[in-house]
Amino acid sequence: QQQVKQSPQSLIVQKGGISIINCAYENTAFDYFPWYQQFPGKGPALLIAIRPDVSEKKEGRFTISFNKSAKQFSLHIMDSQPGDSATYFCAATTGNQFYFGTGTSLTVIP
Amino acid sequence: EAGVTQFPSHSVIEKGQTVTLRCDPISGHDNLYWYRRVMGKEIKFLLHFVKESKQDESGMPNNRFLAERTGGTYSTLKVQPAELEDSGVYFCASSRLDTYGYTFGSGTRLTVV
Repeated sequence: QQQVKQSPQSLIVQKGGISIINCAYENTAFDYFPWYQQFPGKGPALLIAIRPDVSEKKEGRFTISFNKSAKQFSLHIMDSQPGDSATYFCAATTGNQFYFGTGTSLTVIP
Repeated sequence: EAGVTQFPSHSVIEKGQTVTLRCDPISGHDNLYWYRRVMGKEIKFLLHFVKESKQDESGMPNNRFLAERTGGTYSTLKVQPAELEDSGVYFCASSRLDTYGYTFGSGTRLTVV
């Protein structure tokens, strides 16, 4: 059973637009929710992460919105750029293994 | 600091053969993890080392997979004998004991034909 469900599978956004990727989870014991960015031929790299005691975290153009009651969290990329084109994975953990979503392939069109 | 190094980057083997993947974690990172992504699916946990000890190997698919971590440094993941369903990208990640943040390697793409 998949612990973290991610959507959409792929996303195409115009340069300057907002990219939104959504994830949902079931296990209320999860206490750390990271987003990873992966470029072709590279490993996933930590982009931004949030703990469930806050509803939003912003780092530059990247924002995580967290809804504890709905057990959902999302990544917002503001002013999307072609260089943001990559695969994005959400994840959740209780401190040991990470449970990842299936990934979202983002393409930002110039 | 040097990152997590994995090799080979690609491996194509025939069904029934043996393959050994290697991971060199970041120096000082006692946590070492192996994950696998089958095409289009999520990245799935295989196992977790703390130093040289297996902390959790609940994700290992079956006894054809054997992981070791010599002296708490580099780790190897051996698949013997390989099956078609073992194809995928195998990622290694490491972290310090006091942090949740992983650093991933670039992965080994294993193709079993």
